[in-house]
Amino acid sequence: DAKTTQPNSMESNEEEPVHLPCNHSTISGTDYIHWYRQLPSQGPEYVIHGLTSNVNNRMASLAIAEDRKSSTLILHRATLRDAAVYYCILTGGDIIQGAQKLVFGQGTRLTINP
Amino acid sequence: EAQVTQNPRYLITVTGKKLTVTCSQNMNHEYMSWYRQDPGLGLRQIYYSMNVEVTDKGDVPEGYKVSRKEKRNFPLILESPSPNQTSLYFCASRFEGTGVGSSYNEQFFGPGTRLTVL
Repeated sequence: DAKTTQPNSMESNEEEPVHLPCNHSTISGTDYIHWYRQLPSQGPEYVIHGLTSNVNNRMASLAIAEDRKSSTLILHRATLRDAAVYYCILTGGDIIQGAQKLVFGQGTRLTINP
Repeated sequence: EAQVTQNPRYLITVTGKKLTVTCSQNMNHEYMSWYRQDPGLGLRQIYYSMNVEVTDKGDVPEGYKVSRKEKRNFPLILESPSPNQTSLYFCASRFEGTGVGSSYNEQFFGPGTRLTVL
C-alpha cells in the first residue's frame, strides 16, 4: 500500500480556514485519495475523496497537487465541531473491489480554539 | 436514516467467555468490515465480507470469527476472548461497485463497541 505522511497535530481558530496537508510521494496513477475524520468517541466518517482534480463538497475541499504527490484538505471556516483526527488514505483504483480496504495511519489531530 | 448500528456499545467480560458483537446496516450495502482501534496502532481491519456468505481475513483475524448469513448483518464472534482483544471495535459498510475504479465508495462506520476482557 502506498504510504501517506501527515503532521501529528495542528491547531487553528474558530471561523478561520484550515489547511491539512498530506504527502503521498509513492502514489500510483490509479490510487484514489480519501480523507476521513474521527470525532471524539465516534467512528470515522467520510469527508471527501479525489483522483486528480480538485474536489469540493459541503464539508470541505480537496486540493491535489499536479504531480499528485501531495494533497491538502481545506476546511473553509472551522467550527468547534471540526475538532477531530483527520486521516489521509490512499486506495488502489486498479485493485478488484473486494480487496479494497482503508488503511488508517495516525492522522492529524486538529484542535480548534474558540 | 442511513446508518450502521452496533451492539453492545460497551462490554466487560472475562477471559474465555464467548461473545458476539452485532453489526447491522440499513443501506443494502454489499461490503461490510470489522476494524479494531488501539492506541498507537490506529485502526486495523479484522475481517471483511463482499456479500452474503463471502468473507475473508483482514490484517488481524486471529481470535475472531465472522458470518454473513444476511446482507444487513455481519456479527463479530470471539469464541474465547483474551485480554489482548481489549479494544475499540468498529463495523463499517459500503456499496460495492462493480469492476475497478470503484474504490471511491464512501465507507460508513458504526459508533463503536468498547470491549474489555479481564
